[in-house]
Amino acid sequence: AQSVTQLGSHVSVSEGALVLLRCNYSSSVPPYLFWYVQYPNQGLQLLLKYTSAATLVKGINGFEAEFKKSETSFHLTKPSAHMSDAAEYFCAVWGYKFYFGSGTKLNVKP
Amino acid sequence: DVKVTQSSRYLVKRTGEKVFLECVQDMDHENMFWYRQDPGLGLRLIYFSYDVKMKEKGDIPEGYSVSREKKERFSLILESASTNQTSMYLCASSSGQGSGEQYFGPGTRLTVT
Repeated sequence: AQSVTQLGSHVSVSEGALVLLRCNYSSSVPPYLFWYVQYPNQGLQLLLKYTSAATLVKGINGFEAEFKKSETSFHLTKPSAHMSDAAEYFCAVWGYKFYFGSGTKLNVKP
Repeated sequence: DVKVTQSSRYLVKRTGEKVFLECVQDMDHENMFWYRQDPGLGLRLIYFSYDVKMKEKGDIPEGYSVSREKKERFSLILESASTNQTSMYLCASSSGQGSGEQYFGPGTRLTVT
C-alpha cells in the first residue's frame, strides 16, 4: 500500500533563507512522486514530478526535489525563499490512485 | 489553457438535503477525481473515474455517490447532507494511465447547517 508522511504541518522561514519541506513515502512499487502547491482560495497546481528519469527533479518557481530511495524520501527545497512562496505544499504518491500527505503550510517572514 | 471548473465556490445547505457538486473539464481527460480537504488531513479521495460511466470508490466514499455520463463532467452527490460533510471539495482531472499530472478546480466550500 502507498502512503505519504509530511513532517511539520507548519514551517516558517525568513525571506532569502533555504526552504526545506520534508516528505517520506511508502510504496510497494517504484513510485511516481509529486509536489503540489496550493495558494489561498485556489486549487492545487503541480510544482514537480518524479518518474524515475532523474533523482533530482527541478520544478517551477525555483523549487526542486531529490528522490532518495534508501531513505524513501522526496524532500522539497528552494535555495532562497520569497514572500510569494507562502502557501500550503502537498506531497503525493501515485499507486493506481493518488495518496496525498497532510500538507505543510509555509510562512515566509520579511 | 487547461481548465477544471466547479459549479460553485461556496455553498450552504441544510442537514438532510440532497447536494450536487458539478465538475467540468475541457481537456478531454479520461480520468476525474473528487477529493475533500480538511485542515490537518490533507486531501482524501472520495471517488474517481478512469472512463465514462465508470467509477471507483476512494478512501472515504461513505455518504457520497458520483455520476459520470459524459467524459467532461463528473458529479459528486451527497444523498443526505450531514454536518460532518462540511468541507472543501476539490475536483481534478488527468490524462493517460492515471499517473499523470492532475489539474485541479478551484474548490467548493460546502457548509452544512
